[in-house]
Amino acid sequence: KQEVTQIPAALSVPEGENLVLNCSFTDSAIYNLQWFRQDPGKGLTSLLLIQSSQREQTSGRLNASLDKSSGRSTLYIAASQPGDSATYLCAGLDNYGQNFVFGPGTRLSVLP
Amino acid sequence: GAVVSQHPSWVICKSGTSVKIECRSLDFQATTMFWYRQFPKQSLMLMATSNEGSKATYEQGVEKDKFLINHASLTLSTLTVTSAHPEDSSFYICSARGALAGGLETWETQYFGPGTRLLVL
Repeated sequence: KQEVTQIPAALSVPEGENLVLNCSFTDSAIYNLQWFRQDPGKGLTSLLLIQSSQREQTSGRLNASLDKSSGRSTLYIAASQPGDSATYLCAGLDNYGQNFVFGPGTRLSVLP
Repeated sequence: GAVVSQHPSWVICKSGTSVKIECRSLDFQATTMFWYRQFPKQSLMLMATSNEGSKATYEQGVEKDKFLINHASLTLSTLTVTSAHPEDSSFYICSARGALAGGLETWETQYFGPGTRLLVL
């Protein structure tokens, strides 16, 4: 059974810092991977999707990479802002393409 | 991009009542829909997968008689929490996967609804 871990579980940084969130899968056979943002009491906002043929995706200050050989992904946030404060979830779609398996999330707090 | 809606966004009910949550794909046909549950400060856990016109497949530990799923059309799936109890209070999120208008396959991407918060008193 696929299990996902995210490190750190929580992170508090001053505004302006660059930071890295980590995600790893017990089964490295990930077809594609998606990073989401979730604000308290809200649904999911898709941030980046790394398709099966890709290794990296960038959107604005966000960059996500996927190492399929190890089953690890990182989300890099540059020049963090208080508005980035949220929980960040990674989710992987297995090679059978059945459904996404979610990590537990990293709670990020960016202090002004 | 594809949009998935959920209704209601919030529901409060008394213990023992049944609650129905709707999930709609607004601009594409969802051949497969997924229902997730999220308890406070926890991640999303898949409850069941439903394909249009067939019975839902439930994950281990999810009672199919308690969580009734109907996927009667390509744009609508419903989750009914029967005889709800306080421990069923949670955030329920649906997602949909299918072909966008024009035939472009979207099977690699799931589109998520905004979620429904259920509070059972």
